[in-house]
Amino acid sequence: GAVVSQHPSRVICKSGTSVKIECRSLDFQATTMFWYRQFPKQSLMLMATSNEGSKATYEQGVEKDKFLINHASLTLSTLTVTSAHPEDSSFYICSATSRGAVEAITQYFGPGTRLTVL
Amino acid sequence: GQNIDQPTEMTATEGAIVQINCTYQTSGFNGLFWYQQHAGEAPTFLSYNVLDGLEEKGRFSSFLSRSKGYSYLLLKELQMKDSASYLCAVMDSNYQLIWGAGTKLIIKP
Repeated sequence: GAVVSQHPSRVICKSGTSVKIECRSLDFQATTMFWYRQFPKQSLMLMATSNEGSKATYEQGVEKDKFLINHASLTLSTLTVTSAHPEDSSFYICSATSRGAVEAITQYFGPGTRLTVL
Repeated sequence: GQNIDQPTEMTATEGAIVQINCTYQTSGFNGLFWYQQHAGEAPTFLSYNVLDGLEEKGRFSSFLSRSKGYSYLLLKELQMKDSASYLCAVMDSNYQLIWGAGTKLIIKP
């Protein structure tokens, strides 16, 4: 149980284009979804937290107009990197929490999306 | 401020035992998590401790002492596939996860 998928797993795009990343909870309803970014050899950096049907809460320093998050259902959240630049190249990972005592606070991670902006 | 400290890198031998320590200072405490992350992959959940003591799960065990702000992850009968980074994360009073930088574990034959 608690499987999270992400699509695409890898994307290469030109500078200035937009990229959409999907995060799905496959076998549970995700009460909350999280988006992280991880640069090589660094720890996870939380970008934003989103609850189904409400606006995402962004961490300090993360541009909400550049990283658009839509959490339309209990099983799907999307992150759109708008007008991507080479410095946005990173490993983007989503995670989700479910209902239940321990599951409500345990984050289960998707496999990640490696974005390369040329 | 809030911080999580764990060693940057450790080396161990296949078949041996290794203990990865994590100390923390956070505003409140709602549990401590250990995750495993292989290079280029996302983290996978290993354990959750909210009460003091040892939780055993197969070859992996996790220990917590809330009074000392201390936890460790114990890996027994090490296998080559255990080579990975091990992330310690603490949930604070606002239910926010505070992440450590991770410990890269290198297993040698």
